[in-house]
Amino acid sequence: NAGVMQNPRHLVRRRGQEARLRCSPMKGHSHVYWYRQLPEEGLKFMVYLQKENIIDESGMPKERFSAEFPKEGPSILRIQQVVRGDSAAYFCASSPPAADSYNEQFFGPGTRLTVL
Amino acid sequence: SQKIEQNSEALNIQEGKTATLTCNYTNYSPAYLQWYRQDPGRGPVFLLLIRENEKEKRKERLKVTFDTTLKQSLFHITASQPADSATYLCALYNQAGTALIFGKGTTLSVSS
Repeated sequence: NAGVMQNPRHLVRRRGQEARLRCSPMKGHSHVYWYRQLPEEGLKFMVYLQKENIIDESGMPKERFSAEFPKEGPSILRIQQVVRGDSAAYFCASSPPAADSYNEQFFGPGTRLTVL
Repeated sequence: SQKIEQNSEALNIQEGKTATLTCNYTNYSPAYLQWYRQDPGRGPVFLLLIRENEKEKRKERLKVTFDTTLKQSLFHITASQPADSATYLCALYNQAGTALIFGKGTTLSVSS
């Protein structure tokens, strides 16, 4: 049973380019979360999605960032016109659907984005 | 907004001793509190979840306590081993139940 998969593991972009980060949740999981971890800082929530719906995007910057979780395929976190401050580790997590929403989350290995 | 503090950034102990990590939270009364382990270059791994009506939870050498009056959780690793060296994160859901809020973590180093 494969865990949460993220690709690429490392991504290098020049300022102004676009970054696309992909996340495939665990089998049977329909809830996906994206977090960002800056050097020497904690994990910060960005967005919570269910299939075809954004449930909470309160942690995501209003500009340049977008996320989707289509009916088929992985969840995508897209960063347009990247800047050096976007350099960070981006983690995806998933959880199963449940009546109790306070499940543990299963994290992927992360994508390390470096903006030159 | 909810805030979590993990008092120690780093904790160094000798093999065989008990490590105790502290997590304090404010502005919120969570129903659940979770602990994760994160190794360098990897994603967090879930360890334990404790509910507000549970005073204590155990799993092998791990023990978590949850004091809703003090707004504090303690995380203990007994008979610590060098393999326990990692960063330990405390987390709780926001009031809407849509996002985990993490502390900055405590980096534990166990020396042999």
